[in-house]
Amino acid sequence: NAGVTQTPKFQVLKTGQSMTLQCAQDMNHNSMYWYRQDPGMGLRLIYYSASEGTTDKGEVPNGYNVSRLNKREFSLRLESAAPSQTSVYFCASNEGLVVKETQYFGPGTRLLVL
Amino acid sequence: SQKIEQNSEALNIQEGKTATLTCNYTNYSPAYLQWYRQDPGRGPVFLLLIRENEKEKRKERLKVTFDTTLKQSLFHITASQPADSATYLCALEEGSNYQLIWGAGTKLIIKP
Repeated sequence: NAGVTQTPKFQVLKTGQSMTLQCAQDMNHNSMYWYRQDPGMGLRLIYYSASEGTTDKGEVPNGYNVSRLNKREFSLRLESAAPSQTSVYFCASNEGLVVKETQYFGPGTRLLVL
Repeated sequence: SQKIEQNSEALNIQEGKTATLTCNYTNYSPAYLQWYRQDPGRGPVFLLLIRENEKEKRKERLKVTFDTTLKQSLFHITASQPADSATYLCALEEGSNYQLIWGAGTKLIIKP
């Protein structure tokens, strides 16, 4: 049982480049989330997917898009990266349809935008 | 807007003592609050959840209290060990928006 996995672990982009962060969970969870974590700030929700086939904006969705590919996978895309998107990105999941339940996190993707 | 405050300064505790971390919030009345542990370079790991009608919750050496009047949760680690050194995050549910609101975390350092 791998839990929540994320790829890549590290990435360096130039301003304007695009990339997709991948996330997968093997716990048969319904809900999945993308957060960013910046120094001195709490985790901020970018997008979430309460169930397969649905996605919703979180607190800081601008500059990002998501795809819930199937029940297991939830990807985050940066279409045109900006230095302000330098951050650590975490994917999380939980089993119910209630977003506020205990969340299980992946190891994170560290992104540097130059 | 809702706001969560955790002590931004690192907390240094001698091994064997009790470590107490604070989570204060304003402008909201959450139905429950969660505590997570985060080690460097890793994602947060769930520790405890306490509901608004529970004054105290325990799990092994961990204890969480929830005072809805003071709008505060305290997280205690008794008989602390160097392996308890980590950053501890609190998070509360945010009403109808189906989001968790997170504190920035407090770094705990247990010295041998």
